[in-house]
Amino acid sequence: EAAVTQSPRNKVAVTGGKVTLSCNQTNNHNNMYWYRQDTGHGLRLIHYSYGAGSTEKGDIPDGYKASRPSQENFSLILELATPSQTSVYFCASGEGQYEQYFGPGTRLTVL
Amino acid sequence: QQQVRQSSQSLTVWEGETAILNCSYENSAFDYFPWYQQFPGEGPALLIAIRSVSDKKEDGRFTIFFNKREKNLSLHIKDSQPGDSATYFCAASVLNYAQGLTFGLGTRVSVFP
Repeated sequence: EAAVTQSPRNKVAVTGGKVTLSCNQTNNHNNMYWYRQDTGHGLRLIHYSYGAGSTEKGDIPDGYKASRPSQENFSLILELATPSQTSVYFCASGEGQYEQYFGPGTRLTVL
Repeated sequence: QQQVRQSSQSLTVWEGETAILNCSYENSAFDYFPWYQQFPGEGPALLIAIRSVSDKKEDGRFTIFFNKREKNLSLHIKDSQPGDSATYFCAASVLNYAQGLTFGLGTRVSVFP
């Protein structure tokens, strides 16, 4: 079965620190996505990628960078974490414009 | 401005009833409308989806009714079960290849026995 995994599942960071969230997919999909989920805002797209070496800005990219070193891996990087980035982050993979498969999420708390 | 709107934040039904979740959208270019189901502590999972060329899509107890002219759609959950208790997200995407989905804020459905 297709799978998207994320690590860590929970993370506590300090303000100003660097945070890296990792995502791995075994679906062999070209496209990968990072979303954040907040009460009252639903799921919002941060960055996405068409394939290894590519990253594109989504709807709320400010304060985040992304890296896609391979087909399987897609990372989200917070260079200087702030409390406003406390959220649940979901990675997804997909092919074309259609179905996306989501990972289990990473709960990030920035103190 | 919310491009995909779900009319209810929460919905409570009794076991065996039909739950109806409503969704509307702004962007006429949207042509694919998936509904995702999310249980607490898990990622969203695709439940059922429809393309704008169709007006109805059925999969077991779940049916999407789509009205392109009115720019709205609804998800019907027939014979609701307690295991259907979850948050349901309406989403949409445009024709641009590979861009992410635009989600509504979700409707939390509670099914009581």
